[in-house]
Amino acid sequence: LAKTTQPISMDSYEGQEVNITCSHNNIATNDYITWYQQFPSQGPRFIIQGYKTKVTNEVASLFIPADRKSSTLSLPRVSLSDTAVYYCLVGDRDNTDKLIFGTGTRLQVFP
Amino acid sequence: GAVVSQHPSRVICKSGTSVKIECRSLDFQATTMFWYRQFPKQSLMLMATSNEGSKATYEQGVEKDKFLINHASLTLSTLTVTSAHPEDSSFYICSASRGLATETQYFGPGTRLLVL
Repeated sequence: LAKTTQPISMDSYEGQEVNITCSHNNIATNDYITWYQQFPSQGPRFIIQGYKTKVTNEVASLFIPADRKSSTLSLPRVSLSDTAVYYCLVGDRDNTDKLIFGTGTRLQVFP
Repeated sequence: GAVVSQHPSRVICKSGTSVKIECRSLDFQATTMFWYRQFPKQSLMLMATSNEGSKATYEQGVEKDKFLINHASLTLSTLTVTSAHPEDSSFYICSASRGLATETQYFGPGTRLLVL
């Protein structure tokens, strides 16, 4: 299972764009990259998933370079409610394989 | 769609007693369910993987006789913490997967266990 490395924490202000980068040097050919968001005392919530290039949904964008050894989650115009821990995970897409959570990135958004 | 529930949301018990936590996929059939434990300000730690109708696969360091997992149907998995002790106090989270190529794992809201 590919290990992921993220910054421990990040600070931002409301209205700014936040980019959180994740390193996954040992990603396998069949692996997809998935990002989850977790608020205190809640289960993680799916944000976005991608394999290569760029993926965008109503919440975020995910940028994946050609070598796929890293990925960047982009949150446009964050608000206070985006304060949470963000986890980057790498795993086989059918997701019957286990997911191993890294440390995650604790994002704090200030007014 | 793809909602996972857990019951109870929080439980307080005395040391030495057993506690059962239920994880249900409400609107889909989950071929695989996972159980995690999370201590304050730490990441989720995978405890075990359970497939419907078969024995759970436990991660290294997780006592299978202490954390009993039953995945009796495609919509229900249970985690029983036997002879609970204060060090078992934690946030327990389950997730479920349909096992389809376009699917991610869906997480439950978690169960806060406090052992006195």
